[in-house]
Amino acid sequence: GQNIDQPTEMTATEGAIVQINCTYQTSGFNGLFWYQQHAGEAPTFLSYNVLDGLEEKGRFSSFLSRSKGYSYLLLKELQMKDSASYLCATNRDDKIIFGKGTRLHILP
Amino acid sequence: DTGVSQNPRHKITKRGQNVTFRCDPISEHNRLYWYRQTLGQGPEFLTYFQNEAQLEKSRLLSDRFSAERPKGSFSTLEIQRTEQGDSAMYLCASSSGTVAYYGYTFGSGTRLTVV
Repeated sequence: GQNIDQPTEMTATEGAIVQINCTYQTSGFNGLFWYQQHAGEAPTFLSYNVLDGLEEKGRFSSFLSRSKGYSYLLLKELQMKDSASYLCATNRDDKIIFGKGTRLHILP
Repeated sequence: DTGVSQNPRHKITKRGQNVTFRCDPISEHNRLYWYRQTLGQGPEFLTYFQNEAQLEKSRLLSDRFSAERPKGSFSTLEIQRTEQGDSAMYLCASSSGTVAYYGYTFGSGTRLTVV
């Protein structure tokens, strides 16, 4: 994706907490999305941040710092079904530009 | 409302053949987007429509690719003279107005394999 950086892979244990970081190019930025994508399936919307701060939605939270061009997705109480790719994406010119995604592996 | 529908789900074609994919968006959504995704990568933007107007095309969209949305409802993506590098998942998405806050709704995609 256009200057969107996130780790390629991460591994965590069932029941634990994991934080997936994302940095992006700040010019032309209008908002930041997180999507979840299971293997062979379409991406599904998780969150959208347009203002600085933390937004919590159940087990998932998303944080944004616009000045730093930084976001993270926090997943709590990990479940096996959370094994998926997590896509950081920016809203630019009213279309979504995706990063390459972070493949999250959950160990029992 | 059955969501975004894409057909076919899978397509295997020989190199050099033409292929066409169809996307039916959510009925009240006026914007329709096409993306391509290869293994281990995020979706790459190809083009998008607002109603029947094609508003933007990525430089990734070579002359062999063409997309239409003739009546502002369904859309087709055609690839002419397919190459092995065209093998990918082609995703369609739709939205009502701006993408802010709710993003897109994606279809299940069409997986193209060029042999």
